[in-house]
Amino acid sequence: QKEVEQNSGPLSVPEGAIASLNCTYSDRGSQSFFWYRQYSGKSPELIMFIYSNGDKEDGRFTAQLNKASQYVSLLIRDSQPSDSATYLCAGLGSYIPTFGRGTSLIVHP
Amino acid sequence: ETGVTQTPRHLVMGMTNKKSLKCEQHLGHNAMYWYKQSAKKPLELMFVYSLEERVENNSVPSRFSPECPNSSHLFLHLHTLQPEDSALYLCASSQRLGGTGNQPQHFGDGTRLSIL
Repeated sequence: QKEVEQNSGPLSVPEGAIASLNCTYSDRGSQSFFWYRQYSGKSPELIMFIYSNGDKEDGRFTAQLNKASQYVSLLIRDSQPSDSATYLCAGLGSYIPTFGRGTSLIVHP
Repeated sequence: ETGVTQTPRHLVMGMTNKKSLKCEQHLGHNAMYWYKQSAKKPLELMFVYSLEERVENNSVPSRFSPECPNSSHLFLHLHTLQPEDSALYLCASSQRLGGTGNQPQHFGDGTRLSIL
């Protein structure tokens, strides 16, 4: 059973702080990992992907992958209230992505 | 504008009703998906179509019946559903099966289904 685990939260951080979202996966065959953001009542939207060990930065977002530990994380620097949403982690092995349940992030002013 | 349009946005139906969910993508993608999203549970993949052929049926009860008449349209036919089927049903599409970082899955806004 391929699983992607996320803490459902909510994770509450003050505006301007770093939000750290974490994800672990069970399928060692997973090659690529995705972070989606989903606002309430809206569709998931891809914000980051990563397939190599290490860090990948895009603006305020940094994705981190550690394949040995089967661990993926997303850091959001200078968090804004508009970042408040549910963040879904997904792993892709063959062609079927496996999603986690998502972590709710609340950024308060 | 997501490029993936789902109708209706909300649907309330009784357990004996028959209804259909519709998904249309305007992105020229080759793969389409149905997902079920329930509160506090991971996104569950239900069906995958590639070039109009079903490539995955993830142990979904037969009361859910998908149809993909062409690469732009996907339907989910519903019949004698149960209360536990109440959820958000999301359609997605991608250029390639599974999507990639540069060509990821694009999701519709979903149909919120409530079974009375």
